[in-house]
Amino acid sequence: QKEVEQNSGPLSVPEGAIASLNCTYSDRGSQSFFWYRQYSGKSPELIMFIYSNGDKEDGRFTAQLNKASQYVSLLIRDSQPSDSATYLCAVIRSGGSYIPTFGRGTSLIVHP
Amino acid sequence: KAGVTQTPRYLIKTRGQQVTLSCSPISGHRSVSWYQQTPGQGLQFLFEYFSETQRNKGNFPGRFSGRQFSNSRSEMNVSTLELGDSALYLCVSSLDGKPGDLYGYTFGSGTRLTVV
Repeated sequence: QKEVEQNSGPLSVPEGAIASLNCTYSDRGSQSFFWYRQYSGKSPELIMFIYSNGDKEDGRFTAQLNKASQYVSLLIRDSQPSDSATYLCAVIRSGGSYIPTFGRGTSLIVHP
Repeated sequence: KAGVTQTPRYLIKTRGQQVTLSCSPISGHRSVSWYQQTPGQGLQFLFEYFSETQRNKGNFPGRFSGRQFSNSRSEMNVSTLELGDSALYLCVSSLDGKPGDLYGYTFGSGTRLTVV
């Protein structure tokens, strides 16, 4: 079982819709969770981070964390073609190291 | 302020050769981490340097090595290149190695290495 799993996609949504990206992790003691966006040919950039159960909203983005079920999700409201990218989930596991473990990413395509 | 600078941007090497990649972190940042990104394996952690010392290491063979200088600039070296080493190599600059916006965990643009 991979430590951090994401559906590779592509996830295709129409412009204006809500895109829902999911990530599951295996280490129940994981502490911190991050979502990165990576455009083709570019480096990852941080979108959101979340530490506590529940929802965290930032503009059109909402991160949701459920530690009991070991998943974290990213919702993108009013999706735009410019949101088309690969979204990487990263998790800091328990055990002292702060080095994040990344999922392989989900490709999102927002079509006009 | 200046971002994270990686050089070169692109590199083509032959199997068996060695290669050195460079990363200049954001001014004031003391931690530099290196990642390898491939379509098959995703982003995989190589190692982290902090104040010229390797502080964390991933599960890569000894052919992969690195170092950090007193000005925080870092280099990574791959010896005896294999075809499977073809990847995007990303460095990350941060205040203390911890992800999250508070610590300025910023990726460089990467070096695309192709081994032929």
